Amino acid sequence: SQTIHQWPATLVQPVGSPLSLECTVEGTSNPNLYWYRQAAGRGLQLLFYSIGIDQISSEVPQNLSASRPQDRQFILSSKKLLLSDSGFYLCAWSVVARTGELFFGEGSRLTVL
Amino acid sequence: ELKVEQNPLFLSMQEGKNYTIYCNYSTTSDRLYWYRQDPGKSLESLFVLLSNGAVKQEGRLMASLDTKARLSTLHITAAVHDLSATYFCAVQGGTSYGKLTFGQGTILTVHP
Repeated sequence: SQTIHQWPATLVQPVGSPLSLECTVEGTSNPNLYWYRQAAGRGLQLLFYSIGIDQISSEVPQNLSASRPQDRQFILSSKKLLLSDSGFYLCAWSVVARTGELFFGEGSRLTVL
Repeated sequence: ELKVEQNPLFLSMQEGKNYTIYCNYSTTSDRLYWYRQDPGKSLESLFVLLSNGAVKQEGRLMASLDTKARLSTLHITAAVHDLSATYFCAVQGGTSYGKLTFGQGTILTVHP
């Protein structure tokens, strides 16, 4: 069966510090991978998606970046965090050729102080 | 640009009552999804609706899709406290590489 792991679960970072969130998927090959952010107030915003290794598309301009160095690994990074980067970050995977359903990781809660 | 709107955004129900959450979307799509989110947790998939007229049921929840009206409904029957959560609908656009656009979410609170 397929599983998705995301870490760290919680982190508190000062403004201007770097960020790295990691996500790995097991039990499936060549999934589409996604990073969403959920700010306070509930809505989910798509940040990045990837259809393959080193193929990343950004949905919104920001100071975050994403990388996919391996088929089932997706990394979200920042060189210098802003207060506005605080939120709940969710990694997800899907296989579009099937139902296209997204399966989410446990989430990473980031607080920037 | 695909827009997805849910209503109501807040729903306070008494146990045992019935209610419906509505999800409208702005462009043609035949793939719609419902998710549940408990406070502080990630999203859990509830229903996948892949064609016009699709209806899925699980326990006290039933979801349906009308692609011509660009409308999905999530019907709650005889609500119980355990159903308290935030419910999201999400729609996949045509050539969107599987990207889902989410509604704002409906916060459901079920009272005794």
